[in-house]
Amino acid sequence: GAVVSQHPSRVICKSGTSVKIECRSLDFQATTMFWYRQFPKQSLMLMATSNEGSKATYEQGVEKDKFLINHASLTLSTLTVTSAHPEDSSFYICSARDRRTSYEQYFGPGTRLTVT
Amino acid sequence: GENVEQHPSTLSVQEGDSAVIKCTYSDSASNYFPWYKQELGKRPQLIIDIRSNVGEKKDQRIAVTLNKTAKHFSLHITETQPEDSAVYFCAASMSFGNEKLTFGTGTRLTIIP
Repeated sequence: GAVVSQHPSRVICKSGTSVKIECRSLDFQATTMFWYRQFPKQSLMLMATSNEGSKATYEQGVEKDKFLINHASLTLSTLTVTSAHPEDSSFYICSARDRRTSYEQYFGPGTRLTVT
Repeated sequence: GENVEQHPSTLSVQEGDSAVIKCTYSDSASNYFPWYKQELGKRPQLIIDIRSNVGEKKDQRIAVTLNKTAKHFSLHITETQPEDSAVYFCAASMSFGNEKLTFGTGTRLTIIP
């Protein structure tokens, strides 16, 4: 199946700093990618839909100025957590669908963010 | 928007027995229903999916049933094995247009050897 990568896999940052997470579709083009957040022992919550060449669509309650999304190419979307705080510590996962082949959405391996 | 409920939250079964996890959804426009298995700290892995034009789909020990009228779908795992222990999530989306997945709350399945 299609492959989606994320970088970094783990990051620890200090409160008040910004962190950028990359999501790449390695063998297909994705006009749309999705960003999820997962707290321990909880489900995946969609944060936003990343649209190539246009603004992201944010879910209700997600601050667009805090979670900046850029989808500059058909294979790369980035999520920047600005002015991170300890409550932003979570597992962030992206996904993308290869529309050529199936309905399946492929998930990246996730990024564990810890804000100290 | 879509709302997906999932039950039970935890499930323990003896090895070899069957496990059933149930989900309901609210948006009649949803037409794609995947099931994911997630191990601790790992990405969700698709184990089976079903589209709304069929009522049942089976892949070896795993099957999914869909009742569009009642808006519910279920995952059935037969002949359970220890490696089936994980957290399972159901999800719903539209296959065209807005493809975002709405996840259920998850079921922690434990297979007792």
